[in-house]
Amino acid sequence: KQEVTQIPAALSVPEGENLVLNCSFTDSAIYNLQWFRQDPGKGLTSLLLIQSSQREQTSGRLNASLDKSSGRSTLYIAASQPGDSATYLCAVISTTSGTYKYIFGTGTRLKVLA
Amino acid sequence: DVKVTQSSRYLVKRTGEKVFLECVQDMDHENMFWYRQDPGLGLRLIYFSYDVKMKEKGDIPEGYSVSREKKERFSLILESASTNQTSMYLCASSRTEIGGYTFGSGTRLTVV
Repeated sequence: KQEVTQIPAALSVPEGENLVLNCSFTDSAIYNLQWFRQDPGKGLTSLLLIQSSQREQTSGRLNASLDKSSGRSTLYIAASQPGDSATYLCAVISTTSGTYKYIFGTGTRLKVLA
Repeated sequence: DVKVTQSSRYLVKRTGEKVFLECVQDMDHENMFWYRQDPGLGLRLIYFSYDVKMKEKGDIPEGYSVSREKKERFSLILESASTNQTSMYLCASSRTEIGGYTFGSGTRLTVV
């Protein structure tokens, strides 16, 4: 059974720091991996989608990497800003009993201090 | 800008009421999903649909049903609302089964 873990559960950093969020999954047979951010009381906003054949994706100050063999993905945020404060979730797409399924991590709550 | 729109941000309903949560997407996506999100439990899949008129049970379908009469609209129905259905409800859509999800802004439902 696929399980997705995000450590740490919470993180506080000073503004301007570069930081890395981690996502681990137990079954390397995934199709895609997607990173989201969620602001309090809001829906999920897609940040990056990495297909299984890719090693990384970049968007602005964000860079996500994928290492399927080790079951890991990282989200790198450069020059963090208070506006980056949110919960970050990763999700992998696997198959369960022949059905494609998104498996979500429980998230890392990030606070960037001004 | 592509969108998934959930009709209500906040709802308060009474126990026993029939509740309809509406979700509309303008991306011509085939697949639509309903999740609920609770502290400590994360996102849990309630129902999903890969085509019009088609629906599949997710991990926690009990107490819920869905309707997909048109491609762009996927409705979640709470047949008889109960207090344990108080939650944040999130709708999502995707172009393919392995394509990226686009989420709506969520509906915070409180059942009293």
